[in-house]
Amino acid sequence: DAKTTQPPSMDCAEGRAANLPCNHSTISGNEYVYWYRQIHSQGPQYIIHGLKNNETNEMASLIITEDRKSSTLILPHATLRDTAVYYCIVRVRYNTDKLIFGTGTRLQVFP
Amino acid sequence: NAGVTQTPKFQVLKTGQSMTLQCAQDMNHNSMYWYRQDPGMGLRLIYYSASEGTTDKGEVPNGYNVSRLNKREFSLRLESAAPSQTSVYFCASKSADSPRPSTDTQYFGPGTRLTVL
Repeated sequence: DAKTTQPPSMDCAEGRAANLPCNHSTISGNEYVYWYRQIHSQGPQYIIHGLKNNETNEMASLIITEDRKSSTLILPHATLRDTAVYYCIVRVRYNTDKLIFGTGTRLQVFP
Repeated sequence: NAGVTQTPKFQVLKTGQSMTLQCAQDMNHNSMYWYRQDPGMGLRLIYYSASEGTTDKGEVPNGYNVSRLNKREFSLRLESAAPSQTSVYFCASKSADSPRPSTDTQYFGPGTRLTVL
């Protein structure tokens, strides 16, 4: 199962883009990259996911490198409410029911 | 539409006591999950249920039992609580697997904060 590596913390000014990196160098061809976030000890919230193409939704954009060994979550205009722990997760191969959470990146958005 | 609800929100137990954490979802989801989160850590899967009537162990099942009472409800029981089980417990659910695996996202409840003295 692919593991992920994320920086433990990042800062971002309000209104600027927040770019959160994730390494998943052992990802398999049929594994998806998911992003969740957890705001102040609430339950995690789904953000976005992708396989190999870049994805965008109303919350964020996901950029996956061509070799799929890393990805970047982009919050285009960060707000104070985006302060949270962000988890990059690779879906476990052959098992559709498990998400393996690492320790994530704590994003602090400041005024 | 309440989503995923959990009761209680907070609980304090003494070592050796038992209790059941309740979880319910109103989204007609097939799969349900129990996670625990220790301070400063990510979530770890305790048990999950892919459909009504089935349950499977996750990463850290020891000391816990689960019951999938019906499609809506999935309970977690601590038979003899230990201080090592002090944690925040999250329940989650998702819709049935489909030919497009990318559609499966999990929806989480607000959590139960459990302290075992």
